[in-house]
This record gives sequence, C-alpha cells and structure tokens, in this order.
Amino acid sequence: EVRLVESGGGLVQPGGSLRLSCAASEFTFSIYWMHWVRQAPGKGLEWVANIKADGSETEYVDSVRGRFTISRDNAKNSLYLQMNSLRVEDTAVYYCARSFNRVLDIWGQGTMVTVSS
Amino acid sequence: DIVMTQSPLSLPVTPGEPASISCRSSQSLLHSNGYNCLNWYLQKPGQSPHLLIYLGSNRASGVPDRFSGSGSGTDFTLKISRVEADDVGVYYCMQILQTPITFGQGTRLEIK
Repeated sequence: EVRLVESGGGLVQPGGSLRLSCAASEFTFSIYWMHWVRQAPGKGLEWVANIKADGSETEYVDSVRGRFTISRDNAKNSLYLQMNSLRVEDTAVYYCARSFNRVLDIWGQGTMVTVSS
Repeated sequence: DIVMTQSPLSLPVTPGEPASISCRSSQSLLHSNGYNCLNWYLQKPGQSPHLLIYLGSNRASGVPDRFSGSGSGTDFTLKISRVEADDVGVYYCMQILQTPITFGQGTRLEIK
C-alpha cells in the first residue's frame, strides 16, 4: 500500500526548533515532488513548502520562508521539514503529501506541532 | 497569491438529496496545457484530506461516480448526485497553478 508516515511533532517553546520527518513506502519516492501542508486547530488547510523530485528546487509560503527548510533523502525515501524560530502561530497538524502532474494525491496522517510556553 | 473562495461554508443535506459546492478563484486556473489546475479534497472527521477530483473534472481512483467536478477558468463546482451519510466532512478546493498553492476556506457538509 502506498503510504506516507509523518513523525517528529511535539511541544516546543516559542523560538525553538523541531525537525519533522515523512517516511514514504510502496512507491518510487525519487520521481515525485513532495509537499508539506499544515492545519491549525479548527482551521483550514495551508500549504507550507514543496521540493522538486531531485531536491534541486524548493518553494515556501511567505510566513515560513527563512525559518523553515524542506529537504529530502531519496536514498532513504524520506522527506524532512526543519522548523526554526517557531512561533505560536505555527501550531498545527503538519501533513506531508506527494504530487504528480499538479495533483497532491497521497497524504500522510499528520503530526501535531504545538508551540507554547 | 491566488485567492480561492468557496460557498456555501456550511451545507446541511438530507440523505439521498443532491449537493453542490462552488469554488471561485481570483485568476484563471487554466494552464497552457489545457487543464484546469483545480483539485477537490474531502477531509472526514479525524482524518487527513483525501483526493476526490483532480484537474477540475477527473474522479480519483475509488471515488464513487456520485461525485463530479465541473467548471473552467475561475468558476468550479463539485456536485454530489445523492448524498450519503459517509459523505460528511469538510470539502476543500485547491489551486495548484502557481505557488503558493492555496485552498478554499472549506465547506462543511452535514446530514440533516
């Protein structure tokens, strides 16, 4: 079964850092663009970042640019999101998702990040 | 940024009745390749979103034919021909023509 499993969420103080991981299985990870999408408690979906299949290009939403870094290790079938200088407003469930031909077709179950003192 | 606007935001429906959700974008989502870069997702309670309709009008694998997508340019519609109890959740449209990728506010479908 094609699967994405996020991990690494937790409670962190404002200004702190956290690294999220997303493990892919049962598909050729190295040919897909990958994305992070987040959802604050009780709110809608917000796209955070994406990365090209070979890792050569990345894009970010303005609110995280300069603080978050998306990366991948195709040899390990893994996607990452390094989050620095975290703010209360970054509190959300973070989903990883794959895309092909402009379709985000498979999503993980999400990992919760709580930024609070 | 492309702004996505959904309506209604709340949709109470009697089982067996049809339902329709509108999604409008602040600029055309028609790509030069002829496809509309608009996808529909359903997020059931306590779950992650899953794909219903891609590129405007194509049903994703395993999606019942009760669901259909239509529209082009800036105006899109998701229709459910006969709502079932399992259809409850929040429906989102999403544009992927350009970054930042943006979503509509979500439409919460509930059963009357």
